[in-house]
Amino acid sequence: DAKTTQPTSMDCAEGRAANLPCNHSTISGNEYVYWYRQIHSQGPQYIIHGLKNNETNEMASLIITEDRKSSTLILPHATLRDTAVYYCIVRGSNRDDKIIFGKGTRLHILP
Amino acid sequence: GAVVSQHPSWVICKSGTSVKIECRSLDFQATTMFWYRQFPKQSLMLMATSNEGSKATYEQGVEKDKFLINHASLTLSTLTVTSAHPEDSSFYICTPAGGYNEQFFGPGTRLTVL
Repeated sequence: DAKTTQPTSMDCAEGRAANLPCNHSTISGNEYVYWYRQIHSQGPQYIIHGLKNNETNEMASLIITEDRKSSTLILPHATLRDTAVYYCIVRGSNRDDKIIFGKGTRLHILP
Repeated sequence: GAVVSQHPSWVICKSGTSVKIECRSLDFQATTMFWYRQFPKQSLMLMATSNEGSKATYEQGVEKDKFLINHASLTLSTLTVTSAHPEDSSFYICTPAGGYNEQFFGPGTRLTVL
């Protein structure tokens, strides 16, 4: 079973920051938090991942709470192309560890 | 970044036929491949894990005789849906493991069984 819970859907106005929360209260010390998104009829696209420090790349920022029980993905300036289902995943440090998807958050960017 | 290809991108077949889906890891050698399927408006569900040179391991509830997986080389894994039926219509996605931390996914194969 997935170790994460996310809101089913969210709306965000175009140009504003989209903040997507994720709860992972049973995360283990060596498990990473990964974020992917899936645009309709495509494979999941990697966004960002982190262990305990906040991370930022050209797509997004990942804020992980100090107790690591939750995290937030931030898309700083949402565009219509960011409309997708966003998945938060907890995964072990072994690259052969399974990747179990939860239900994700359907993000609607409103013009 | 890593490139993962799948072939075909979509396929329509008659009930009772078998369909083979290929997944290729184009820029690193993958000893492990994960296969998923996704029904409309649902999340990705892990079906099986293929391992180069050994038998695949299947998730609970997935019929190994119906979904044949072959991982013959470090860059190619295949999923064959045998005697496909309309309920097998789905979006099938693969991802090679053991390479990049980012874990790149294939573009998916849409199977429609008539």
